Amino acid sequence: DTEVTQTPKHLVMGMTNKKSLKCEQHMGHRAMYWYKQKAKKPPELMFVYSYEKLSINESVPSRFSPECPNSSLLNLHLHALQPEDSALYLCASSQYRTSGIYEQYFGPGTRLTVT
Amino acid sequence: AQSVTQLGSHVSVSEGALVLLRCNYSSSVPPYLFWYVQYPNQGLQLLLKYTSAATLVKGINGFEAEFKKSETSFHLTKPSAHMSDAAEYFCAVSFTGANSKLTFGKGITLSVRP
Repeated sequence: DTEVTQTPKHLVMGMTNKKSLKCEQHMGHRAMYWYKQKAKKPPELMFVYSYEKLSINESVPSRFSPECPNSSLLNLHLHALQPEDSALYLCASSQYRTSGIYEQYFGPGTRLTVT
Repeated sequence: AQSVTQLGSHVSVSEGALVLLRCNYSSSVPPYLFWYVQYPNQGLQLLLKYTSAATLVKGINGFEAEFKKSETSFHLTKPSAHMSDAAEYFCAVSFTGANSKLTFGKGITLSVRP
């Protein structure tokens, strides 16, 4: 099973709402990632978790709050977003090693619209 | 710093024609290279990867890519395009080491004409 699932598929939220995006994988991967992708652009890395610990934060605004409750789950908590945060949010996972690299497997994404 | 260049933003081919999507990388150390495909309203799917085992890499859906160190290139090819190949294609580079990140090219849109 090489599947990464994401829920919800679509989300519309107001600027004062609080919502969460969820990502799940059952491949035994110990690295998980959040990306933001605007239309016709490549994905931009937001956060990386390695062994359930935050290892990379690409200077993302605090209105985005990641959480990794266990090795299979990754959440992205959203609060007080701006309209420019509207985008496709992609989750990915990979095996983890200190040398070399494994390919990342991506989920289908959550299409977020901030009104 | 590592980088990837995908020249052009759009390639259009006829069904059955050769597909060639170009990717050049910049790196001072041996890179790991990937091609991903993204269909409309979907996530990214890995087509193939180069991790130094072989310079000619075969991937899914009939795609292949050749790593040429002298040209710092990793171009993606498919002998015969199919309508279902229409999508966005991203080349990406990464390097060995903990917390190594993927750096994506800007992507290229492939259209296939009947």
